[in-house]
Amino acid sequence: DAEITQSPRHKITETGRQVTLACHQTWNHNNMFWYRQDLGHGLRLIHYSYGVQDTNKGEVSDGYSVSRSNTEDLPLTLESAASSQTSVYFCASSRTGLNTGELFFGEGSRLTVL
Amino acid sequence: AQSVAQPEDQVNVAEGNPLTVKCTYSVSGNPYLFWYVQYPNRGLQFLLKYITGDNLVKGSYGFEAEFNKSQTSFHLKKPSALVSDSALYFCAVRDPEGDAGNNRKLIWGLGTSLAVNP
Repeated sequence: DAEITQSPRHKITETGRQVTLACHQTWNHNNMFWYRQDLGHGLRLIHYSYGVQDTNKGEVSDGYSVSRSNTEDLPLTLESAASSQTSVYFCASSRTGLNTGELFFGEGSRLTVL
Repeated sequence: AQSVAQPEDQVNVAEGNPLTVKCTYSVSGNPYLFWYVQYPNRGLQFLLKYITGDNLVKGSYGFEAEFNKSQTSFHLKKPSALVSDSALYFCAVRDPEGDAGNNRKLIWGLGTSLAVNP
């Protein structure tokens, strides 16, 4: 079965370190998204991609970057981790067209920055 | 500005009773509306959507939602709640003034925690 997987599921790091969260989907979806989920803020969009070599900033993109070299993967990099980036991160993907709002989510990556 | 509101942070209902989780929206144009569910320590799962047509849409796990254009609402309902329905529920709307083409981003509500008591 097709799926979307995130790794690692849990990570503890120190302030200033670079961290990369992996996202891999086998749905062959063109659209991929990274969100963070924080209490009181719901889901906030970090970056998104509509296809290979396409990346776009979301509403909370500062301190994060993504790259899309193939259809399956959209890794999220925290260039220099900060305590404010402690959060649960979700990757999602979707088809194009009218079904764009039907997102398939990964299980999440819980990041703690000390 | 486009927005989605879920006016209740938490909803409590007894098992077997009907449940309603409220959602109102403010967007220009014709909205595409969605409900998602998140079980503890899991990712979100799509429940149902309204694109066009019948105002009452049916989705997964016995849930349904009613689109009301005059009240700009899209409330989630279920006739008989189960303890296993206890979860976090998110309403979302597709921004009709977003990116070009069909790839428009979702605007999310903050979520409503549903607790179904045995």
